[in-house]
Amino acid sequence: RKEVEQDPGPFNVPEGATVAFNCTYSNSASQSFFWYRQDCRKEPKLLMSVYSSGNEDGRFTAQLNRASQYISLLIRDSKLSDSATYLCVVNPPNFGNEKLTFGTGTRLTIIP
Amino acid sequence: NAGVTQTPKFRVLKTGQSMTLLCAQDMNHEYMYWYRQDPGMGLRLIHYSVGEGTTAKGEVPDGYNVSRLKKQNFLLGLESAAPSQTSVYFCASSLGAFGNQPQHFGDGTRLSIL
Repeated sequence: RKEVEQDPGPFNVPEGATVAFNCTYSNSASQSFFWYRQDCRKEPKLLMSVYSSGNEDGRFTAQLNRASQYISLLIRDSKLSDSATYLCVVNPPNFGNEKLTFGTGTRLTIIP
Repeated sequence: NAGVTQTPKFRVLKTGQSMTLLCAQDMNHEYMYWYRQDPGMGLRLIHYSVGEGTTAKGEVPDGYNVSRLKKQNFLLGLESAAPSQTSVYFCASSLGAFGNQPQHFGDGTRLSIL
């Protein structure tokens, strides 16, 4: 089983809709979780950290489900500019605090 | 603010050639990282550094060497390039261990080995 797994998509969603995708992780002792965004042929950029109690940043909501070992990202009122690949990122404890494990990404396209 | 700058942006090498990728950051970050990104595989950590003069192996270190002689620079060397090293290489830096601090990425180096 991969350490971090994501549905590659693509998710094609009309503008204004709500979209959500999950990411599962294999190491139950993982402590830190993040969502990064990567535009086509660009570098990854931190979108948001994921906290145990869930957290929201504008139209974006991230949640953590430790029992089922997944994190989720929900985007409300989607904009054309939300089109990107969303990377799930986990810090597995066996690698110490210096390393991150990246998922392969979920590709999202917002359709006008 | 320049942030994290990678040079070169593109390069084509022949098998067996050597080269060095340069990463420079102007944020006074302690931690620096080199990743490679290949289709369907996500970013994989090659080497990293937790401070000036220190380096450590990541997940896929074979065929690469690194040096961190100055805090702001992290160099990635390919000793003898192989086609399997064709990839997009990203450098990143963070203020501290990324359990607490986000990583800031450079805009990548596209490397092709023929």
